[in-house]
Formats: sequence, structure tokens, C-alpha cells
Amino acid sequence: AQKVTQAQTEISVVEKEDVTLDCVYETRDTTYYLFWYKQPPSGELVFLIRRNSFDEQNEISGRYSWNFQKSTSSFNFTITASQVVDSAVYFCALSSLSGSARQLTFGSGTQLTVLP
Amino acid sequence: GAGVSQSPSNKVTEKGKDVELRCDPISGHTALYWYRQSLGQGLEFLIYFQGNSAPDKSGLPSDRFSAERTGGSVSTLTIQRTQQEDSAVYLCASRMTSGSSYEQYFGPGTRLTVT
Repeated sequence: AQKVTQAQTEISVVEKEDVTLDCVYETRDTTYYLFWYKQPPSGELVFLIRRNSFDEQNEISGRYSWNFQKSTSSFNFTITASQVVDSAVYFCALSSLSGSARQLTFGSGTQLTVLP
Repeated sequence: GAGVSQSPSNKVTEKGKDVELRCDPISGHTALYWYRQSLGQGLEFLIYFQGNSAPDKSGLPSDRFSAERTGGSVSTLTIQRTQQEDSAVYLCASRMTSGSSYEQYFGPGTRLTVT
């Protein structure tokens, strides 16, 4: 069985602060993918990043960065210099590469509010 | 190109009635998924289609739920004899199955309210 835990239910920061969203996962699979999705108030889930279990290199994309640590089963997401438009619910998800379905197992999400 | 579309965007129905929810995936995406998002359960997987076949239906919560996909494209999720606990947002997603792209792209969802 797979499980994704996002312990932070809600986070509130002031604009321009840095914020880190935590994600811890459990899986017995040796090959898997990890994802982050953003769900703004409009409701549509927006894909942000995919990371495979073979690659522990951190990734940076603009103000976003991701820290994948297999040793602690964590895949944390940092937003640097947050902006009001970053306000959304962020979901971490896991997909096994065994089998063809590869459905996503989601965490419960973190509601991020960035105040002006 | 066009993203995943779903219709209707909102549906209000009376308890006991049947409902049909539609999903149009991204053109060329052979894999299609249905998920449900509710306050109590978060985001849950319901069913997976590869082409017109559904090799994984493990997430369907009861036999009142069924889905089909035709022409390797449009999918319909049917809920029979709706119950109040079926109230949720139903999300459809699609992805390519060739190459190295594994991310799923989601539609805007159908908000179902059972009164």
C-alpha cells in the first residue's frame, strides 16, 4: 500500500517570505514517481513537477524548488519570495511504476495563503 | 492545444436519481482516470482506462458506480441511485502512454451535489 502525508494542513505567510511545504511518502515499490500539483481557487489541478525515484537531484524552476531525499522518504517543495498568486492548495502525489495503471495516491493537501 | 474538459461543471440531483458525468481527454492521451475529491476523503482514485478497457476499477466505491470509454476518447462515469455521500467533485485526468511523459493532466471537475 502507498501513502502520502502532508502534515501541514494550512500555512499562512506574508508576501516575499519563503515557505516550504512538506511531503512524506510510504511505498514498497523500488521505482516510483513523485509529483506536486497546485489547486488554485478555480479548482483545476495544475501539474508542477514530476520526479522519479532514481533521481535525487534537487530541482529549481524560477521561484520553485524541490528537495527529494530518498533516505527520509521526503519530497519537499519550497517557494521563494512568495506572491499572493501562489495562494492555493498544494498536493503531493505518488505513482508506482509497477503495473500499467500508475494512478496517483495523493496527500491531503496543504492550503497556502500568501498575504499582501 | 485543448486540455481535458468535463461536463457538466455542476450537477444537483435528488437522492435516488441516476447521473452521468462526461470527460473529454486531451487528444492522443490513451490513459484516462477518474478521481473523486471530497472533504472527508480527499482525492481518491476511482478507475483507470487504457484505450477503451478498464484494467483497474479498484477505486469504485460501490456497484452503483460504473464507467465506460468509447473510441479511446470520451468517458462517462455513471452513478446510479445517488446517495448524499456521493456529493463530491469528480475529476477526470488523462496522460500519454508513450515516451517518458507520466504526468496526468486534470480537467476542471464536475461538482455533484445530492440533495
